[in-house]
Amino acid sequence: DAGITQSPRHKVTETGTPVTLRCHQTENHRYMYWYRQDPGHGLRLIHYSYGVKDTDKGEVSDGYSVSRSKTEDFLLTLESATSSQTSVYFCASRTGNNEKLFFGSGTQLSVL
Amino acid sequence: AQSVSQHNHHVILSEAASLELGCNYSYGGTVNLFWYVQYPGQHLQLLLKYFSGDPLVKGIKGFEAEFIKSKFSFNLRKPSVQWSDTAEYFCAVTAVYGNKLVFGAGTILRVKS
Repeated sequence: DAGITQSPRHKVTETGTPVTLRCHQTENHRYMYWYRQDPGHGLRLIHYSYGVKDTDKGEVSDGYSVSRSKTEDFLLTLESATSSQTSVYFCASRTGNNEKLFFGSGTQLSVL
Repeated sequence: AQSVSQHNHHVILSEAASLELGCNYSYGGTVNLFWYVQYPGQHLQLLLKYFSGDPLVKGIKGFEAEFIKSKFSFNLRKPSVQWSDTAEYFCAVTAVYGNKLVFGAGTILRVKS
């Protein structure tokens, strides 16, 4: 498996607090993605990046922001967590547009 | 913007039955298409992909998919399923000249032994 690590693996937080999830890859992949996985909705794209400091919104970007200051790191921030953001968050990366995604192990986030 | 629709959310089959999972995408331009599988407790894995050439693509574990451009479809097939194929299957699409990769809602397949 490609070297993609997510941290933390589990987090419980309270409504209204900011939360940052980290994704780190050692493959020098250009493209990085943040998805959330919820039953019945599959994986929904939150934000993605196509290079350092190049990011764009996905399908469900409201309430989330991202930053990519280095090729290897892609941070996802929940600016003010809400219960609707309770989910499993996956980071993924790939080298090119027609190449497969490599996934991290996921972060289980619970917002109480 | 591209989107993906998977027709069935749950499918239950007996071992040795044939499988076909539907996937339709919405996008006016040229696309790359993927099927991923997620076994219980595991990461998503790539089953197969289409980006050009023969519209019938073969993947791992005996799976294949056919790209029908006129129908905007990329259905997944397997002639004879096994209990070990129990998993959730996701179709995904990306525009050839785009960066976004969008998944469908997934189909949960349960194979009865």
